[in-house]
Amino acid sequence: RKEVEQDPGPFNVPEGATVAFNCTYSNSASQSFFWYRQDCRKEPKLLMSVYSSGNEDGRFTAQLNRASQYISLLIRDSKLSDSATYLCVVNSGGSQGNLIFGKGTKLSVKP
Amino acid sequence: DAGITQSPRHKVTETGTPVTLRCHQTENHRYMYWYRQDPGHGLRLIHYSYGVKDTDKGEVSDGYSVSRSKTEDFLLTLESATSSQTSVYFCAISEGGGFTEQFFGPGTRLTVL
Repeated sequence: RKEVEQDPGPFNVPEGATVAFNCTYSNSASQSFFWYRQDCRKEPKLLMSVYSSGNEDGRFTAQLNRASQYISLLIRDSKLSDSATYLCVVNSGGSQGNLIFGKGTKLSVKP
Repeated sequence: DAGITQSPRHKVTETGTPVTLRCHQTENHRYMYWYRQDPGHGLRLIHYSYGVKDTDKGEVSDGYSVSRSKTEDFLLTLESATSSQTSVYFCAISEGGGFTEQFFGPGTRLTVL
């Protein structure tokens, strides 16, 4: 089983739509979770951290289900500027640990 | 944006030549990382550093070496470049290692002919 799995997409949605991304991770010892966005030919940028209680930042909501080892990102009222690849990121666990990046889900928001 | 720069931003080189990529940060973060990103593979960790002169291997370290003589600089060297090392290379920094978010530099696009 891959460490971090995401649906590669692409997700093609109209402006104003609600879109949900899902991610599963394999290491039950993982303790830190993030969503990044990456625009074409640019570096990944932190979108939000994911907390056990769930968290919201404007139109973005992230949720974590530790029992199912599942992370989600919900984007409401999609904008053209939301078009990007969304990366699910999980720490590998252990005392040193490193971040493991999913391959990303591509989102295209159309007018 | 975090103060991270990478140089060069683009490089074309020939097989067998040595190549050094530089990452420079102004954030005084302890941890620095080198990743490569290829279609179908996502971001893969090459090497990382947890302090000056403290480095360790990542998932895809073969053919690469690193050095960190100052907090702000992390160098990635391809001793003898191969075509399989054609990729986009990203440097990242973090304050708290594997438990905290990382911030990325703009990337270096390397082509090995």
